[in-house]
Amino acid sequence: AQSVSQHNHHVILSEAASLELGCNYSYGGTVNLFWYVQYPGQHLQLLLKYFSGDPLVKGIKGFEAEFIKSKFSFNLRKPSVQWSDTAEYFCAVNAKRASGTYKYIFGTGTRLKVLA
Amino acid sequence: GAGVSQSPSNKVTEKGKDVELRCDPISGHTALYWYRQRLGQGLEFLIYFQGNSAPDKSGLPSDRFSAERTGESVSTLTIQRTQQEDSAVYLCASSLGPISYNEQFFGPGTRLTVL
Repeated sequence: AQSVSQHNHHVILSEAASLELGCNYSYGGTVNLFWYVQYPGQHLQLLLKYFSGDPLVKGIKGFEAEFIKSKFSFNLRKPSVQWSDTAEYFCAVNAKRASGTYKYIFGTGTRLKVLA
Repeated sequence: GAGVSQSPSNKVTEKGKDVELRCDPISGHTALYWYRQRLGQGLEFLIYFQGNSAPDKSGLPSDRFSAERTGESVSTLTIQRTQQEDSAVYLCASSLGPISYNEQFFGPGTRLTVL
């Protein structure tokens, strides 16, 4: 069955530290890849997405993610985090099934806390 | 315009009762999704509506769960004979077009507690 793994469940960083959150998926077919973020008290919102083309995608607030097909990974990075990046981050894969339909699969999320 | 709205924001019910959760998608969005998020877990896909196509119900966990959508507007998720394991946040999302390539816009969720 398709799945999305986010190995870091809780991450604590100091401001200005670099961030990398891992995301691996298990599916060999066509995928579209997303990172969503949920700030405290707010709705889930899209951070960035990859459909095709340049595997290094840039999103809002200085975030970027790199799609490495051979590793089935889509890790999220930010060179220097800020206190306002404290949030929960979800990786999601949109997988095309044999039937031709698509299914969204979310990871379990990573809670990031940035210390001021 | 307004985002996705959900009601109620919180619902406490007794085991065995039926509950109905409502979602108002963004106007013009043809696709609507329901997810369940249990404490400490990721989002679990429940059901997907796209336009007038038959909904994808592959994520519904049991026949106690059902959902309806009127055209491209409001959707209701009904849970019959609620159980304690149904306690979770139920999230609704909508997107401009089909699931294959569109960003989802999420509502605030309904927190369901089954006593």
